[in-house]
Amino acid sequence: DTGVSQDPRHKITKRGQNVTFRCDPISEHNRLYWYRQTLGQGPEFLTYFQNEAQLEKSRLLSDRFSAERPKGSFSTLEIQRTEQGDSAMYLCASSRRTLSGLPDTQYFGPGTRLTVL
Amino acid sequence: DAKTTQPNSMESNEEEPVHLPCNHSTISGTDYIHWYRQLPSQGPEYVIHGLTSNVNNRMASLAIAEDRKSSTLILHRATLRDAAVYYCIPAISGYSTLTFGKGTMLLVSP
Repeated sequence: DTGVSQDPRHKITKRGQNVTFRCDPISEHNRLYWYRQTLGQGPEFLTYFQNEAQLEKSRLLSDRFSAERPKGSFSTLEIQRTEQGDSAMYLCASSRRTLSGLPDTQYFGPGTRLTVL
Repeated sequence: DAKTTQPNSMESNEEEPVHLPCNHSTISGTDYIHWYRQLPSQGPEYVIHGLTSNVNNRMASLAIAEDRKSSTLILHRATLRDAAVYYCIPAISGYSTLTFGKGTMLLVSP
């Protein structure tokens, strides 16, 4: 496995601009997650996909945020009309659903650090 | 979600054992106890998980109290590379979302 990759690693944007982040999960992992982490806090769940279906969204995910996972492979997270409060690390993780009912292990990418000026 | 309580920070010397505690008194009977850690400037990484019995893997050991209201992550010989934030996360088996708290920042001195 080559690991979860995220692009870009850093993004600086001006308030009001749109930004899009990409996540490439570990191949054959059918679950993909997005989290957000601000300084000094643990990651907060945003949304997750099983294959191409978006199964859960956090209340943190305002209507300015949209995530897609076409064809169940890579995923994109778009933030429209960015605000300074959106400045954070955006983390992607993937896992393989276990049919046995045991918890699946999530593998995290390095994150995309967003700074909104 | 079960609430967790972890120390904000702990210190250790290199090559000494480290015991990282976690209280999860509201854990339900079906929740597994997961531990993840986050090294500086990296995403979290899985450490270990367990349900009722103590668990060992190449990274650490997990000791779970008999009443399951607390657990302890044990690093048998801390290295400088183990300096990280350690998160204890109760999670329902088969349910995907992880709810992270603030975790414990482990400082390891040479």
